[in-house]
Amino acid sequence: AQTVTQSQPEMSVQEAETVTLSCTYDTSESDYYLFWYKQPPSRQMILVIRQEAYKQQNATENRFSVNFQKAAKSFSLKISDSQLGDAAMYFCAYRSANAGNMLTFGGGTRLMVKP
Amino acid sequence: DAMVIQNPRYQVTQFGKPVTLSCSQTLNHNVMYWYQQKSSQAPKLLFHYYDKDFNNEADTPDNFQSRRPNTSFCFLDIRSPGLGDAAMYLCATSRDGRTRSFGSGTRLTVV
Repeated sequence: AQTVTQSQPEMSVQEAETVTLSCTYDTSESDYYLFWYKQPPSRQMILVIRQEAYKQQNATENRFSVNFQKAAKSFSLKISDSQLGDAAMYFCAYRSANAGNMLTFGGGTRLMVKP
Repeated sequence: DAMVIQNPRYQVTQFGKPVTLSCSQTLNHNVMYWYQQKSSQAPKLLFHYYDKDFNNEADTPDNFQSRRPNTSFCFLDIRSPGLGDAAMYLCATSRDGRTRSFGSGTRLTVV
């Protein structure tokens, strides 16, 4: 079974600074997808960024980028130029390319942004 | 415009009184999911419908049931809510198990 671990329950960043959220996972599969979801206090889960395991290039979405290290099974999220609106719970998630339906979440990291 | 809509946003029910939460979607996705999320925890999958096929997670209590009368709607029925069932309930959809789209959730309080 796959597991996803977020070792930082809480992180804090100063507005306009950069922060990196850690995520590691365990799998025996070679083809899979990794996601970062943001859940603000309004509680709607929003997809931030997605990475296909077969792609070597790290995914980027505006201020959000990932450092995908397949051999190390690491998938960290970097938020540049942090904004107050970035404050939220961030969940790392794994989905097998084969099983199709199971989305395994990490325990989440609460990000606080200081003005 | 919201594409996965959950009503109501907040629901209060009495201990043991059946309650139904609803979810609708405008995405025409064939898969719909129900997750339970307790405070500061990751969402936990309860069950999902792949088209009309119902898939229950092994550790989902019998107290939780679901109905999907058509592609657009899915309901979560809690037959006899206990205090431990107080949580946020998230509905999500996907096309063939691909990227999930989540609703805003229904926060259930049991009194």
